[in-house]
Amino acid sequence: QSVLTQPPSVSAAPGQKVTISCSGSSSNIGNNHVSWYQQLPGTAPKLLIYDNNKRPSGIPDRFSGSKSGTSATLGITGLQTGDEADYYCGTWDSSLRAGVFGGGTKLTVL
Amino acid sequence: EVQLVESGGGLVQPGGSLRLSCAASGFTLSHWMSWVRQAPGKGLDWVANIKEDGSAKFYVDSVKGRFTISRDNAKNSLYLQMNSLRAEDTAVYYCARDQLGYPGESFDSWGQGTLVTVSS
Repeated sequence: QSVLTQPPSVSAAPGQKVTISCSGSSSNIGNNHVSWYQQLPGTAPKLLIYDNNKRPSGIPDRFSGSKSGTSATLGITGLQTGDEADYYCGTWDSSLRAGVFGGGTKLTVL
Repeated sequence: EVQLVESGGGLVQPGGSLRLSCAASGFTLSHWMSWVRQAPGKGLDWVANIKEDGSAKFYVDSVKGRFTISRDNAKNSLYLQMNSLRAEDTAVYYCARDQLGYPGESFDSWGQGTLVTVSS
């Protein structure tokens, strides 16, 4: 079982918006910075969001992140078929003294 | 261009050992560095990370005492020595660069991964 909890799957139509949740605790999300990753089939993960809501250069503003308490959310607007991928949240857990990830959410663009 | 290239994966019997390497280019190793693994069809699992100068190391509980992370900054290389391997260690192992200022929280560059299969 993953330390961070994500829904296994979400879906939406092209052009629509989707949100992916990530739930944790005070030892991880509550007191550390959250990051989000996109993993296209057969490829390595790619950083989408860091420090809860910041985008690395080259990541379009269709991707956004937020954090409230012990939960975080990834938002994707203007969905494209190329956005179909697995999405993971991650952070540090201060009690475990280890990095932790969510179990991943598979996005389907219908 | 930042590039991370892993090597050293392969098939090993339970109880055996393997040493993974990660060659970094396009940046100096002035970052924390991590290993992250992904079992077939499963999610991401953080394995270990190491401070810029090697003075601090952290491991996930399931590998403590069996895996050792190390680095050679002169060679721009990261390593993972894996001993007493178990079937559940079977995974693609990624080398990842911890983002500056966010060690263990964010990984801004990833290698292509190397597959480790533990089976008799």
